[in-house]
Amino acid sequence: QKEVEQDPGPLSVPEGAIVSLNCTYSNSAFQYFMWYRQYSRKGPELLMYTYSSGNKEDGRFTAQVDKSSKYISLFIRDSQPSDSATYLCAMSYSGSARQLTFGSGTQLTVLP
Amino acid sequence: GAGVSQSPSNKVTEKGKDVELRCDPISGHTALYWYRQRLGQGLEFLIYFQGNSAPDKSGLPSDRFSAERTGESVSTLTIQRTQQEDSAVYLCASSVYLLAGGANTGELFFGEGSRLTVL
Repeated sequence: QKEVEQDPGPLSVPEGAIVSLNCTYSNSAFQYFMWYRQYSRKGPELLMYTYSSGNKEDGRFTAQVDKSSKYISLFIRDSQPSDSATYLCAMSYSGSARQLTFGSGTQLTVLP
Repeated sequence: GAGVSQSPSNKVTEKGKDVELRCDPISGHTALYWYRQRLGQGLEFLIYFQGNSAPDKSGLPSDRFSAERTGESVSTLTIQRTQQEDSAVYLCASSVYLLAGGANTGELFFGEGSRLTVL
């Protein structure tokens, strides 16, 4: 079993839809949770960062962490074609980027 | 430059040949990472450099893989006697070294990658 599981998709939604992307994990020591966005043929870029459980909102994006269920989510409201990308979750037990464990990524397409 | 720069962006080579990939990190970033991303898969950690400390080579898949970094500047990843399973995108990332609890802890700044195809 992988430490971090992520549905690879692909996921295709119409413009304006609410998108839910999810990861599950097995290591209860993970405390730092991130979502990276990767456009085609580009490197990943940090989108959201949360520490421990709870919600964090940034514009149309909301990151949610449920440590009791070992489950994290990224919600995208009013999705736009420009949101079309691969979304990778990442997590670590320490504050060091060295210990980051990445999910395999979910490919999202938002249709105009 | 403003971001992490990698070269070449694309490399096609024949099985058995050696390849060298280059990464130029963001100025002032003391930490540098190499990852491998196979098609449809997540990022696989390869090697980590932090300042003048001994590199963490625990992710290198075989002794055909090696990497060097001079000080806090350019790094090169070398793959000797390439095999078809080495075909992947090789991503370099850099970061500021922060203690746990610092803002943006864990943020990596990635280059666009070097896409390697071994025929």
